[in-house]
Amino acid sequence: KAGVTQTPRYLIKTRGQQVTLSCSPISGHRSVSWYQQTPGQGLQFLFEYFSETQRNKGNFPGRFSGRQFSNSRSEMNVSTLELGDSALYLCASSLGTRYTGELFFGEGSRLTVL
Amino acid sequence: DAKTTQPTSMDCAEGRAANLPCNHSTISGNEYVYWYRQIHSQGPQYIIHGLKNNETNEMASLIITEDRKSSTLILPHATLRDTAVYYCIVRVQNTGTASKLTFGTGTRLQVTL
Repeated sequence: KAGVTQTPRYLIKTRGQQVTLSCSPISGHRSVSWYQQTPGQGLQFLFEYFSETQRNKGNFPGRFSGRQFSNSRSEMNVSTLELGDSALYLCASSLGTRYTGELFFGEGSRLTVL
Repeated sequence: DAKTTQPTSMDCAEGRAANLPCNHSTISGNEYVYWYRQIHSQGPQYIIHGLKNNETNEMASLIITEDRKSSTLILPHATLRDTAVYYCIVRVQNTGTASKLTFGTGTRLQVTL
């Protein structure tokens, strides 16, 4: 079956702009979570959506937001971009149940802020 | 989630077994041990997880000590494609936080010819 698809794969923005990233989970998966990866901070959890509701949230400012649609596809938005937002943004999907042992990650969207 | 400690880097010759250790001395009774790996510029990939029994799948084996304070991930016949950063994660298997993984710095495994 098809894996997790993230678009766009690469993008360049300037400070102050906003960006929207998209994630299509594996068919049948109801949970989508987002992670940020930077050389300095490593992999950090942003938030998780399950059945169109945010179920968990990491320690990121309100400029980072997300949503999930009825077909489980998810988008995340970063407003008023800062240089430090340059990172690889990873989306992961899972069944979202208690006994979910694994997350399936996409290949990420690499954002560069100039 | 309990804290984990892993060596920063390891080398392994191709064809040999790669044994990656992880220390989790403060693990609680209901916390599982998960292993993920990340090949350069790709998303992390789930490898295996376990509670207290040893586990094996098509990718690797997970050996957890009897006191559960440490574990070892074993790649039986390492290949160049196994070169990656390996993350050991300890967490409760809870619906509400199922997707919130805390990644440490991991072990960078270099497989060489």
